[in-house]
Amino acid sequence: AQSVTQPDIHITVSEGASLELRCNYSYGATPYLFWYVQSPGQGLQLLLKYFSGDTLVQGIKGFEAEFKRSQSSFNLRKPSVHWSDAAEYFCAVGVGSNFNKFYFGSGTKLNVKP
Amino acid sequence: NAGVTQTPKFQVLKTGQSMTLQCAQDMNHNSMYWYRQDPGMGLRLIYYSASEGTTDKGEVPNGYNVSRLNKREFSLRLESAAPSQTSVYFCASSPGTTSPGYTFGSGTRLTVV
Repeated sequence: AQSVTQPDIHITVSEGASLELRCNYSYGATPYLFWYVQSPGQGLQLLLKYFSGDTLVQGIKGFEAEFKRSQSSFNLRKPSVHWSDAAEYFCAVGVGSNFNKFYFGSGTKLNVKP
Repeated sequence: NAGVTQTPKFQVLKTGQSMTLQCAQDMNHNSMYWYRQDPGMGLRLIYYSASEGTTDKGEVPNGYNVSRLNKREFSLRLESAAPSQTSVYFCASSPGTTSPGYTFGSGTRLTVV
């Protein structure tokens, strides 16, 4: 069965520090991979996605993610965190015939210290 | 650009009451989805519609029904609400073919008392 694991429930970083959020997936083939961000009381916004090709993908708001097939991982990174990045982050995999059925991780809540 | 519109935004129901959550998208997307979000559990797929005229169960379909009314609209119905259905419900849509990726609505916060 497909699964997505985000091992860190909460992470706190200082403003200006670097950030890495972890995501591991379990799927028979390489799925489509996504990171979404959710601010309190809001819907989910797409940060970036990986389909194929270059394993380092750039997204919005200065985020990037690296796909590592050997580790079944798709970790999200940002070199310097801003206070406005405080939110909850979800990793997702797209599977199925058109890769349109999504499974989400349980989320990582990011706090940013001033 | 409205994107995905959900109504209502908030709702309180008594146990046993029924209601329908509405979702409409104006992006000409083929696929539409209903998710529920509960603390610590991420988003779980309730039902989805890969294309107009089709619907399929997701991970947690029990207690829900859906209708894909047309290409734009996908509704979720709770026939007899239970406290376990207290959650935030999100509708999403996707082009459904060569460019997977969801656009989400802003959610419906449902409380069943």
